[in-house]
Amino acid sequence: NAGVTQTPKFQVLKTGQSMTLQCAQDMNHNSMYWYRQDPGMGLRLIYYSASEGTTDKGEVPNGYNVSRLNKREFSLRLESAAPSQTSVYFCASQGRLNTEAFFGQGTRLTVV
Amino acid sequence: ILNVEQSPQSLHVQEGDSTNFTCSFPSSNFYALHWYRWETAKSPEALFVMTLNGDEKKKGRISATLNTKEGYSYLYIKGSQPEDSATYLCAPKENTGFQKLVFGTGTRLLVSP
Repeated sequence: NAGVTQTPKFQVLKTGQSMTLQCAQDMNHNSMYWYRQDPGMGLRLIYYSASEGTTDKGEVPNGYNVSRLNKREFSLRLESAAPSQTSVYFCASQGRLNTEAFFGQGTRLTVV
Repeated sequence: ILNVEQSPQSLHVQEGDSTNFTCSFPSSNFYALHWYRWETAKSPEALFVMTLNGDEKKKGRISATLNTKEGYSYLYIKGSQPEDSATYLCAPKENTGFQKLVFGTGTRLLVSP
């Protein structure tokens, strides 16, 4: 049972390049989230998906897009990467609303 | 977005000390409160999910209480150990629409041997 799997683990991009971060969960969870880790600010919510077929903005959505491809997969796309998007990105999934969320191992992204 | 405050921002204690931190949130429209433990270079892991006023949960030396009427939760660590060093995050959920998981900035705990 893999839980939440993120790919890639590490990525270096040049300013202006695009890329997609992949996330998949095998727990049949309805809800999925994308966060970024910022020093002194903890985890900030970028986008979330309450259920398959729905997505919504979080606290810091600018510069990102998401796709909930199916119940298992929730991808995060950077269309034109900027140095300000250098961060560690975490994907999480959650089953029923009063249950714990499970996190992937993170993707460390550097934009130069 | 729910206004969450965690205090203190950081804490440095000696091994064996007991410590506690606070998570404050608006008391109206409360739905649930999550606590997570986040070690450096790892992923956050859930400690507790609390829903009822007066709830008290315990996992080993870590316990948490919840006061939904006044809008706060305390996390206690008894006899801190170096392996307790981590950032502790709380995420209160509102009962409005979809109860998304939005975290406070966390309390960073360092336990010295």
